[in-house]
Amino acid sequence: AQKVTQAQTEISVVEKEDVTLDCVYETRDTTYYLFWYKQPPSGELVFLIRRNSFDEQNEISGRYSWNFQKSTSSFNFTITASQVVDSAVYFCALSEAGPNLTGGGNKLTFGTGTQLKVEL
Amino acid sequence: DVKVTQSSRYLVKRTGEKVFLECVQDMDHENMFWYRQDPGLGLRLIYFSYDVKMKEKGDIPEGYSVSREKKERFSLILESASTNQTSMYLCASSFFLEDRGLGSGNQPQHFGDGTRLSIL
Repeated sequence: AQKVTQAQTEISVVEKEDVTLDCVYETRDTTYYLFWYKQPPSGELVFLIRRNSFDEQNEISGRYSWNFQKSTSSFNFTITASQVVDSAVYFCALSEAGPNLTGGGNKLTFGTGTQLKVEL
Repeated sequence: DVKVTQSSRYLVKRTGEKVFLECVQDMDHENMFWYRQDPGLGLRLIYFSYDVKMKEKGDIPEGYSVSREKKERFSLILESASTNQTSMYLCASSFFLEDRGLGSGNQPQHFGDGTRLSIL
């Protein structure tokens, strides 16, 4: 069975600090996908990034960066120079892969989320 | 932009009532999903559908049913609402697309704003 662990329930930082959100996953599949989503106070989950299990290149997008390490089954998310607008709940998620996965639906297993509070 | 619309942001119902939550997407996505979100538990999958009239149970289907009569619409039904079904309900949709031999399961899910349902 798949499992995603986000051990940090809540993190508080002061604006302009760097912050890393941890994500550890478990799966028996060799092919899988990892995702990060952001949920601001308005409630809608916003897709941030997707990674497949064969692509361990780190990715940077503006102030956001992601570190994928298969050796430790981790997919950590770093926000550089955090801002108040980054305050949200962040979810890491894992999806199985396979052309015949119940007709095509990609089920996501979510972690329990990390509440990030960025204060002035 | 993908738009996933849930019929209500807030809903209050009574124990024993039959409750319908509606979700519509405008991007011709094959897959649609219903999750519930509870503090400390993250998002848990209730049901999903990969085609019209097709449905699959998720991790917590008990007490719920679904209906997908048209591709763009996915309804969640609480047959006889109970207080332990008080929660935030999130609908999502995604394409089914195989990723160049890596299988499916790679498409990000797009979420609605959520319905906060209270059962009294």
